[in-house]
Amino acid sequence: AQSVTQLDSHVSVSEGTPVLLRCNYSSSYSPSLFWYVQHPNKGLQLLLKYTSAATLVKGINGFEAEFKKSETSFHLTKPSAHMSDAAEYFCVVIPAGGNTPLVFGKGTRLSVIA
Amino acid sequence: SQTIHQWPATLVQPVGSPLSLECTVEGTSNPNLYWYRQAAGRGLQLLFYSVGIGQISSEVPQNLSASRPQDRQFILSSKKLLLSDSGFYLCAWSEGGMRTEAFFGQGTRLTVV
Repeated sequence: AQSVTQLDSHVSVSEGTPVLLRCNYSSSYSPSLFWYVQHPNKGLQLLLKYTSAATLVKGINGFEAEFKKSETSFHLTKPSAHMSDAAEYFCVVIPAGGNTPLVFGKGTRLSVIA
Repeated sequence: SQTIHQWPATLVQPVGSPLSLECTVEGTSNPNLYWYRQAAGRGLQLLFYSVGIGQISSEVPQNLSASRPQDRQFILSSKKLLLSDSGFYLCAWSEGGMRTEAFFGQGTRLTVV
């Protein structure tokens, strides 16, 4: 079965420093992968998606992620953290089949320190 | 463009009372529809999903049920709420028949007292 593992439940960075949120996936085929962000008491917003095109995917708010098949990873990065980036981030994979629900990682809470 | 509406935004209900949360999608047809729950400090738990009118798949047996009376309407219900039903409920949709991203509503904060 397809799954994703978010390696850190909480990441804390200083404002202006780089952000790295780690995600590994398991899949026996070329997966579709996504990152979502959730601010407190809000719905989830799509940050970016990988669907077997370019391996380096650029998303909103300066985030990007690189699909590395050899490492089965899809880590989310941002060169310089902003206070508004503090939120919960979810790595997501879509299993095989056209109507199967998304599979979510457990989430990583990003704190940004002034 | 497509939009998803979910209401109410917050709800406080006594134990044993019924529940009805509604979600509607505009601008698309035959979407896949989902209900998720997010307990405090936890990830998302898929409760129900639907690929068409009257077609409901339940992921976790519990005190809740879902219905899809119309193509773009998805309702989450309970006959008698439990304290453990408290949480943040999220409705989402995705294009039917395709492996694409899902789009989420703004969520309902349910507190059972």
